[in-house]
Amino acid sequence: SQTIHQWPATLVQPVGSPLSLECTVEGTSNPNLYWYRQAAGRGLQLLFYSVGIGQISSEVPQNLSASRPQDRQFILSSKKLLLSDSGFYLCAWDRGYNSPLHFGNGTRLTVT
Amino acid sequence: KQEVTQIPAALSVPEGENLVLNCSFTDSAIYNLQWFRQDPGKGLTSLLLIQSSQREQTSGRLNASLDKSSGRSTLYIAASQPGDSATYLCAVRPSNDYKLSFGAGTTVTVRA
Repeated sequence: SQTIHQWPATLVQPVGSPLSLECTVEGTSNPNLYWYRQAAGRGLQLLFYSVGIGQISSEVPQNLSASRPQDRQFILSSKKLLLSDSGFYLCAWDRGYNSPLHFGNGTRLTVT
Repeated sequence: KQEVTQIPAALSVPEGENLVLNCSFTDSAIYNLQWFRQDPGKGLTSLLLIQSSQREQTSGRLNASLDKSSGRSTLYIAASQPGDSATYLCAVRPSNDYKLSFGAGTTVTVRA
């Protein structure tokens, strides 16, 4: 069966510090990978998605970036965090348009 | 732009009562619709996926219907239990697009 791992579960970082969140999927190959952010009162916002190694599509211009160094690994990064980057970050995967979207347990990021 | 609405934002029911959750969307050109469950502080769990050609989908006590022409989907949960307490979100996938549009969710409380 397929599983998705996301870490860390919680993170408190000062403004201006770097960020690296990692997500890996097991039990499948060539998944589509997604990073979402969920903020109170704003719903789920798609940040990045990837349909293959090295291919990244950005949905929202901001100081975040994403990379896919391996088939089942997706990384969300920032060089300098802003207060507005606080939120709940969710990694997700699917096998294409016809398949359900599966989420990790999320990372609660607080920028202080 | 696709708009997805879930009304009400919250509801509370006694244990044993059937739950009816509503989802409406503005653009009927969808590929499929998904229902998710989210527990506090956790990621989303996929419950049901309905393709645009289907009218309904069932899994155990859950039944979801889709009326694409009127832009509506309904999630029925039979004989609700306290363990059904969670936030339920619907999401539509536009035709040939990786980006899902999410509703804000309905938070359900089942009273013992």
